[in-house]
Amino acid sequence: KAGVTQTPRYLIKTRGQQVTLSCSPISGHRSVSWYQQTPGQGLQFLFEYFSETQRNKGNFPGRFSGRQFSNSRSEMNVSTLELGDSALYLCASSPGQGSSSYNEQFFGPGTRLTVL
Amino acid sequence: AQTVTQSQPEMSVQEAETVTLSCTYDTSESDYYLFWYKQPPSRQMILVIRQEAYKQQNATENRFSVNFQKAAKSFSLKISDSQLGDAAMYFCAYRSPLYGNKLVFGAGTILRVKS
Repeated sequence: KAGVTQTPRYLIKTRGQQVTLSCSPISGHRSVSWYQQTPGQGLQFLFEYFSETQRNKGNFPGRFSGRQFSNSRSEMNVSTLELGDSALYLCASSPGQGSSSYNEQFFGPGTRLTVL
Repeated sequence: AQTVTQSQPEMSVQEAETVTLSCTYDTSESDYYLFWYKQPPSRQMILVIRQEAYKQQNATENRFSVNFQKAAKSFSLKISDSQLGDAAMYFCAYRSPLYGNKLVFGAGTILRVKS
């Protein structure tokens, strides 16, 4: 079974631009979560999608948005990029809704976004 | 809000020896799950071990074991017979079934293994 894939792996943008990152979960997984990882703030939860619906959202401004398609692939979008948005963006997929500890999350390799 | 604290920014261990990484958390919930994740230089997050709060028995996975103290809200990871491949950043994480698959992570501990 293929693992979680994220595209692109590296991205360089300038302030004010917008960016779209993509995450393809493991086949059969219906939940996709997104995390931002920075040296200063660590790993922070952005949002989770399950069956095309946003289930949970972290404390990020509205410039950060996401969606999930019927095939469970997910995209996140950041508009009006700021220097502080430079980070590693990780997505994680899991089969179910998180009510069981065995609903393990599998992480992708991440997208490294640099904002200049 | 739930918080996870890892008080050791960095730890070192000699190959073949044992090391313990500390983690404390704060929550008002009684039902939750705790995890240790490993992130090597490749940045790929890998689940090391999990613990359900309702289980009193400490989880064990080969050379990895936890010491779960629910009353103290403590969840430490013990790595026995350390290997060079264990060198990585280790994150303690918390998940509540009330919030789906949302993980709350600690700041991480860098583990260095000396040969």
